[in-house]
Amino acid sequence: QSVLTQPPSVSAAPGQKVTISCSGSSSNIGNNYVSWYQQLPGTAPKLLIYENNKRPSGIPDRFSGSKSGTSATLGITGLQTGDEADYYCGTWDSSLSLVVFGGGTKLTVL
Amino acid sequence: QVQLVESGGGVVQPGGSLRLSCAASGFTFSSYGMHWVRQAPGKGLEWVAFIRYDGSNKYYADSVKGRFTISRDNSKNTLYLQMNSLRAEDTAVYYCAKDARLGTGRLDYWGQGTLVTVSS
Repeated sequence: QSVLTQPPSVSAAPGQKVTISCSGSSSNIGNNYVSWYQQLPGTAPKLLIYENNKRPSGIPDRFSGSKSGTSATLGITGLQTGDEADYYCGTWDSSLSLVVFGGGTKLTVL
Repeated sequence: QVQLVESGGGVVQPGGSLRLSCAASGFTFSSYGMHWVRQAPGKGLEWVAFIRYDGSNKYYADSVKGRFTISRDNSKNTLYLQMNSLRAEDTAVYYCAKDARLGTGRLDYWGQGTLVTVSS
């Protein structure tokens, strides 16, 4: 049981837009920055979004992040088959003094 | 460029021990905290441990507290994870990851992982 809650799977057609939600509490998302990670099949996770809505160098602007209260959302526009991956949200939990992740969301591009 | 290379994984019997290493390059290792994160086969990410840049503070997941020890050698640019009293549920790919900024939970670079299998 993960501290952060994500839908197990989402799907959409190529070219469409999809959003992935991440729900937490005041001790984690509510008072800390959220990061998002992309894990392509058979590879290590990669930082996709940090500080709620910032993109590391090299990440296309098709990927966006937002946060409101104790929830965060990852958005992906102009879906491509290469976006098929598992996506994880993560943040610091101030009460537990540790990093927490969501359970992951598998994106299928139909 | 930042590189993190894990090693030391393998097959170990329940109750056994293993030490993982993570060789870092491409950044000032002694200035950043480091994490270990694991992923059981077919499962999601589970944070394991964190050590501050100077080794002064260490944090552990409840699932490994008292059994695992994170450490670092800044003179060798290397992170370690000593794993004792291993259980079947510790079977996973173990990743080391660089902390971008303390308290943000932002892990900005990850290694390729090393597989630990606990089985008799």
